[in-house]
Amino acid sequence: DSGVTQTPKHLITATGQRVTLRCSPRSGDLSVYWYQQSLDQGLQFLIQYYNGEERAKGNILERFSAQQFPDLHSELNLSSLELGDSALYFCASSVRGGDQETQYFGPGTRLLVL
Amino acid sequence: GQQVMQIPQYQHVQEGEDFTTYCNSSTTLSNIQWYKQRPGGHPVFLIQLVKSGEVKKQKRLTFQFGEAKKNSSLHITATQTTDVGTYFCAYSGAGSYQLTFGKGTKLSVIP
Repeated sequence: DSGVTQTPKHLITATGQRVTLRCSPRSGDLSVYWYQQSLDQGLQFLIQYYNGEERAKGNILERFSAQQFPDLHSELNLSSLELGDSALYFCASSVRGGDQETQYFGPGTRLLVL
Repeated sequence: GQQVMQIPQYQHVQEGEDFTTYCNSSTTLSNIQWYKQRPGGHPVFLIQLVKSGEVKKQKRLTFQFGEAKKNSSLHITATQTTDVGTYFCAYSGAGSYQLTFGKGTKLSVIP
């Protein structure tokens, strides 16, 4: 158990719909990262938040957005869903020790778009 | 953007045999991290290497970072069924902490 929680575990929805994925980081971790894992693209970084502020953006579609709240939990919003958005979505939180930052991944949310 | 290539994509070994996966970059990396993802699970951090030529060991696992900091390897001695999973290398760029992952090597261990 990494200490990172994600809800829901599974999500089945239809094309065109909007969903929200939730992540609670480990206690004390200020950074939250979102990753998408699909069979063809592998694990891809989407976006990072640090203490409520957007820190970095990766391959995140304009239809996707995220935010981090004052209690440090984060939400990833996916809208106008397409079949190709079906994937595993992981969040990770991090603790930094010197030069090393270790990211702890949550169990993921498996999204299926029909 | 910068990419890391992992080989092989798949590896099937008999229990007790050794296993090695390689991670190669065309450019110098500031660091390399290794993660393991069990079937149906999430990536779990194994180790980070930052120094040229660095070698680190964790029980039966040996991690190396090349002298030129362009390649890395993970070697497992005497595999066990508990080693099954996909092993990913990843790196973060200078000044940032987001990870770029390789495609992974999926290890199957035949008992």
